[in-house]
Amino acid sequence: GENVEQHPSTLSVQEGDSAVIKCTYSDSASNYFPWYKQELGKRPQLIIDIRSNVGEKKDQRIAVTLNKTAKHFSLHITETQPEDSAVYFCAGTTSGTYKYIFGTGTRLKVLA
Amino acid sequence: DVKVTQSSRYLVKRTGEKVFLECVQDMDHENMFWYRQDPGLGLRLIYFSYDVKMKEKGDIPEGYSVSREKKERFSLILESASTNQTSMYLCASSTPRLPWNEQFFGPGTRLTVL
Repeated sequence: GENVEQHPSTLSVQEGDSAVIKCTYSDSASNYFPWYKQELGKRPQLIIDIRSNVGEKKDQRIAVTLNKTAKHFSLHITETQPEDSAVYFCAGTTSGTYKYIFGTGTRLKVLA
Repeated sequence: DVKVTQSSRYLVKRTGEKVFLECVQDMDHENMFWYRQDPGLGLRLIYFSYDVKMKEKGDIPEGYSVSREKKERFSLILESASTNQTSMYLCASSTPRLPWNEQFFGPGTRLTVL
């Protein structure tokens, strides 16, 4: 069945360093890939997304890249700050469907 | 702003009890979802609904049922709670009127079954 794998499960970086989280998907029909951030005790919220007709998208310190051939996409956070500490979820979906297939999450810790 | 609310932040129940988790959204969204969140397992879809009185099973429906009598409200029911249903439960809603059916989440209900 459809599957999204996410790595690593935990990631610790020093403040100011970069962080990269990777996801792979199995359904070649997937064409939209959102990333959600869940801070401790809070709800997941959409932080960035990418469509399959785009290879990269940036929003200030965060960026997402997509490799359709290899069926993987990645979240890049530069100049990490303590407030970036959270659990990050990737997901994949196909236009016309309601369901998102979520990855298993990455707990990012930014060490001051 | 989309607002998705859940009836309780924390809930403690006993094994065998019938448990109701309520979710309400105020943005006239057609789609509503129930997920459970467990460490290392991510967000797993239990049930979803794309219209009033319509429902579809997700990936882990066993031991759960749902009810959607009104568009804004989606209830998750544990007919006979068991300890392995101790988890964080998240509700979400979306609409095809927004690009890519962006999902908006509620704050979650942490359920403990003793």
